[in-house]
Amino acid sequence: DQQVKQNSPSLSVQEGRISILNCDYTNSMFDYFLWYKKYPAEGPTFLISISSIKDKNEDGRFTVFLNKSAKHLSLHIVPSQPGDSAVYFCAASVGTGNQFYFGTGTSLTVIP
Amino acid sequence: SQTIHQWPATLVQPVGSPLSLECTVEGTSNPNLYWYRQAAGRGLQLLFYSVGIGQISSEVPQNLSASRPQDRQFILSSKKLLLSDSGFYLCAWGAGGGRYFGPGTRLTVL
Repeated sequence: DQQVKQNSPSLSVQEGRISILNCDYTNSMFDYFLWYKKYPAEGPTFLISISSIKDKNEDGRFTVFLNKSAKHLSLHIVPSQPGDSAVYFCAASVGTGNQFYFGTGTSLTVIP
Repeated sequence: SQTIHQWPATLVQPVGSPLSLECTVEGTSNPNLYWYRQAAGRGLQLLFYSVGIGQISSEVPQNLSASRPQDRQFILSSKKLLLSDSGFYLCAWGAGGGRYFGPGTRLTVL
């Protein structure tokens, strides 16, 4: 049973525009959320996180929004750059324990 | 800084053959270590985690086992591979709320 879902397997965006990647979760106990970025043949690298006490966290071009009532998480990349082309995974956990639940990933292509 | 190594990068094995994937971590002591698998069309699934030498917790029943013979070494094994064991295997170490992944091993079972 997939507790974290990324319903868009792929997304294409023009360079300089905004990329919005979405993530939904089913477990209302989740209170910590992360986004990872993965290039081909490499392991995922941590991008940004947010805890449930916040509804927004920003780091440079990357902003994560959390809507707890909708159980929805999104990652905004502004402006998008060709180097942002990668697979993006969202993940959720209860606290910062050992079990993180990952989505299936969204492949972002930024077109120059 | 911390570094995590995994090998091999790719592996093709016949059904019924054994498996051994190794992961080592540098630059940290007594890390929590994790094995994840990404099967086709699925998210990253936690297979095993370890909080110390000889301490292994399994998250899902399966054909695989894990061992931690040394503080910074984590091994994923199988006595007889199944077709369904194909996937991308990732080792990670954890600190607080983060997971830091190795480069992964692409396993194809034929």
